[in-house]
Amino acid sequence: GAVVSQHPSWVICKSGTSVKIECRSLDFQATTMFWYRQFPKQSLMLMATSNEGSKATYEQGVEKDKFLINHASLTLSTLTVTSAHPEDSSFYICSARTPGMDTQYFGPGTRLTVL
Amino acid sequence: EDQVTQSPEALRLQEGESSSLNCSYTVSGLRGLFWYRQDPGKGPEFLFTLYSAGEEKEKERLKATLTKKESFLHITAPKPEDSATYLCAVPQGGSEKLVFGKGTKLTVNP
Repeated sequence: GAVVSQHPSWVICKSGTSVKIECRSLDFQATTMFWYRQFPKQSLMLMATSNEGSKATYEQGVEKDKFLINHASLTLSTLTVTSAHPEDSSFYICSARTPGMDTQYFGPGTRLTVL
Repeated sequence: EDQVTQSPEALRLQEGESSSLNCSYTVSGLRGLFWYRQDPGKGPEFLFTLYSAGEEKEKERLKATLTKKESFLHITAPKPEDSATYLCAVPQGGSEKLVFGKGTKLTVNP
């Protein structure tokens, strides 16, 4: 099956700092990557969709300047949470797919805690 | 508007007690229905894709079926390691985005 990794698996940072999360497709080239956020006991909330080499498309209500997404290669996308605040604490999950795949394949997630 | 509704929200079973999870969907032009399993603190793990009414897929103790309005995930003789949240999703019409249900949290007691 398709394997997607994320790094780090968890991160703790101080309020006001920026944090970068990496998402990699390990055994396929991902033309499209997705970033989700999940609060406790809730389902996944799509934040943005990114296609390799293009600007990300953000969902309504998601701040583009706060959640910077880069998809510079077919195997790597990054999410940078800028000037993080405690309310940004959450579980961030990426997924990836490429044409011909049934669906998206998800990474293991990154737990962000902002103090 | 595309919608996915899962029931029940939570289900407790005894080991060996078979049951079914339901996923009802409303979408214009179904381009697949997907089942995922999510363990606490982990990302969703892909289980099945179903494309047309009448289709069935099996994996170990799980069997997924599809009708024109809903899908069922049947769990036969579950074991404690089957405990997880099971998510159902469909592609949003005309895009690659997935519309997820809220999931069914399954707990299997030994």
